[in-house]
Amino acid sequence: GAVVSQHPSRVICKSGTSVKIECRSLDFQATTMFWYRQFPKQSLMLMATSNEGSKATYEQGVEKDKFLINHASLTLSTLTVTSAHPEDSSFYICSARSTNTGELFFGEGSRLTVL
Amino acid sequence: RKEVEQDPGPFNVPEGATVAFNCTYSNSASQSFFWYRQDCRKEPKLLMSVYSSGNEDGRFTAQLNRASQYISLLIRDSKLSDSATYLCVVDTGTASKLTFGTGTRLQVTL
Repeated sequence: GAVVSQHPSRVICKSGTSVKIECRSLDFQATTMFWYRQFPKQSLMLMATSNEGSKATYEQGVEKDKFLINHASLTLSTLTVTSAHPEDSSFYICSARSTNTGELFFGEGSRLTVL
Repeated sequence: RKEVEQDPGPFNVPEGATVAFNCTYSNSASQSFFWYRQDCRKEPKLLMSVYSSGNEDGRFTAQLNRASQYISLLIRDSKLSDSATYLCVVDTGTASKLTFGTGTRLQVTL
C-alpha cells in the first residue's frame, strides 16, 4: 500500500545548527503535504501546508524563516529547522495527500533533540 | 475553547470491557471527522472515518452528532492490543487541514 517515508527518524544536534527532515511519498504523488509538530502529551499541531511548486502556507505563530519548507517535486517535501534551539526539540510528522485519491497518509515521524 | 476537545484519560479497563470516548469540536463548518490511533512515539494511524449515519468496523463503532458537535468512539470486547492513545480529528473546513485533539489514553489490562 501507499507509504510515506520520513528521514531521519531520529536526530540529535547542537544548538545553533540546522536540521533537514525529508518526507517522501513512495507509491503515489502528493501535490499537498502537511508538517506537524507534537510536544510530549500534546496534540499534533499543524505547522504548515506544503504545496508542490509554490510557497508553503504557515500557520499562525510558526516562523517561516525558521522552519523552511521546500516541496520541489510531487513526491518530496523537506522541512529545515534553522538555527535549532532546545525548545525546538519535538516530534515532527509529515502527511501527504494523494493527488489521485485524496487519501491522507502519515510519515513515521522524526524525533528532533537539540542539545 | 479548544477546537477539538477530548478527555485525556487515562481509561484503564480490563480485557473484554466496553469503553467509550467522546470528543467535541467547535467549528460548525467542519465536514470530515476521524478517529486516529497513536501508539507511544509513533505516527498516528487512521482507525476509522466518522459518518453522519454512524458506522461500525468490527469492534469499533463511531457516531457523529452534528447538532451537538460531538463525536464518539465505542470499543467493544477490548483487547490488550487496543492500548494506545485515540485521537479525535476534525477537518477545519478549508484546505483539507486537520485539527487533532490531544487524545484519550486507553490502557487495557489483564
